[in-house]
Amino acid sequence: NAGVTQTPKFRVLKTGQSMTLLCAQDMNHEYMYWYRQDPGMGLRLIHYSVGEGTTAKGEVPDGYNVSRLKKQNFLLGLESAAPSQTSVYFCASEGGSYNEQFFGPGTRLTVL
Amino acid sequence: RKEVEQDPGPFNVPEGATVAFNCTYSNSASQSFFWYRQDCRKEPKLLMSVYSSGNEDGRFTAQLNRASQYISLLIRDSKLSDSATYLCVVNPFIVGSSNTGKLIFGQGTTLQVKP
Repeated sequence: NAGVTQTPKFRVLKTGQSMTLLCAQDMNHEYMYWYRQDPGMGLRLIHYSVGEGTTAKGEVPDGYNVSRLKKQNFLLGLESAAPSQTSVYFCASEGGSYNEQFFGPGTRLTVL
Repeated sequence: RKEVEQDPGPFNVPEGATVAFNCTYSNSASQSFFWYRQDCRKEPKLLMSVYSSGNEDGRFTAQLNRASQYISLLIRDSKLSDSATYLCVVNPFIVGSSNTGKLIFGQGTTLQVKP
């Protein structure tokens, strides 16, 4: 099992450009999450999904959109990137007896 | 008050030392608790789930004190490879709403084990 994978690993955007981050999991988990992590701050939830075709807002959803067309994939979109969106983005899926979350390796995004 | 609070450290300890981290949480109805480990520029990885009676995994022991709303992680016989940031994570359960597993992360405690 690959677990949770994310593409791309790194990306540099100019202000106003758009991009999509892809998260894939092969553990048949229903719940998936997108977080951002900034220096000196904890992980903050952007959006999440409790199943195929459903999404919901987290703590910091502004400027992002998501889609969950297939159970194994969770996409995070930036329609018009801003320097404030420079961050490390982690995807996670949830499973296990105690609803543990398993994280992908992250995407490092810089917006100039 | 933050929902999950940790002493950010850093904790600098020699190899072989025993070190303990504490974490407090604000939601008394919280149901699940975890310790994650995060290495520099890497993703968080689950270290331990914290059971109500406390649990041990090798050199690591986790304790939960619901009355005082804190969780602890004890690392015995520290290794150089234990150097990392340790994240205290709480799954709050809101009575009357579905538990969607939205974890609350502490900012992490940094451990540096020196030779």
